[in-house]
Amino acid sequence: AQKVTQAQTEISVVEKEDVTLDCVYETRDTTYYLFWYKQPPSGELVFLIRRNSFDEQNEISGRYSWNFQKSTSSFNFTITASQVVDSAVYFCALDMDSNYQLIWGAGTKLIIKP
Amino acid sequence: NAGVTQTPKFQVLKTGQSMTLQCAQDMNHEYMSWYRQDPGMGLRLIHYSVGAGITDQGEVPNGYNVSRSTTEDFPLRLLSAAPSQTSVYFCASSTTPGNTIYFGEGSWLTVV
Repeated sequence: AQKVTQAQTEISVVEKEDVTLDCVYETRDTTYYLFWYKQPPSGELVFLIRRNSFDEQNEISGRYSWNFQKSTSSFNFTITASQVVDSAVYFCALDMDSNYQLIWGAGTKLIIKP
Repeated sequence: NAGVTQTPKFQVLKTGQSMTLQCAQDMNHEYMSWYRQDPGMGLRLIHYSVGAGITDQGEVPNGYNVSRSTTEDFPLRLLSAAPSQTSVYFCASSTTPGNTIYFGEGSWLTVV
């Protein structure tokens, strides 16, 4: 069965702290894709990153970085020097070649205090 | 850039009423889908389409109907609204499964 677990329901940090959001996934497929989306209080879904199962390189985009480890089935997301504008719910999702259903984690609510 | 457009943004329905949520995309994407998001949860797939004339059920299809007569449009119909269908609905599109999925802004539906 396919599953995405975001064990951290809510994280609260003070601005400028680094914070890591965890994502653990389950799938038997060898080809799959992992996503992170941001959902700010306004409600829209903002695409952050897509990673395929054959590319384990870590990625950095400004203050954002992602650590993909197939050995532990994890795709963690780190925000460096957090800002109040980073406050949002962050979702990790899994997509397989074998079907058309995107599997979502329950989301992590990130609160950045000034 | 229009991207994925959903209407209406907000709607209140009475139990038993029917309505259609509209979704249109201008990116020539073959794959379109509808999700619902309930409080404190991730998105769950209602129905999807891999091209004009082709639709299939997702995880939570009961009470909903879809059709895909053109590449651009993918309306979602609530046949007889129930309070359990109170949710936020997102339409999405992509070139193919596995590629970046683009979402509409969401439709907030309340059934009383």
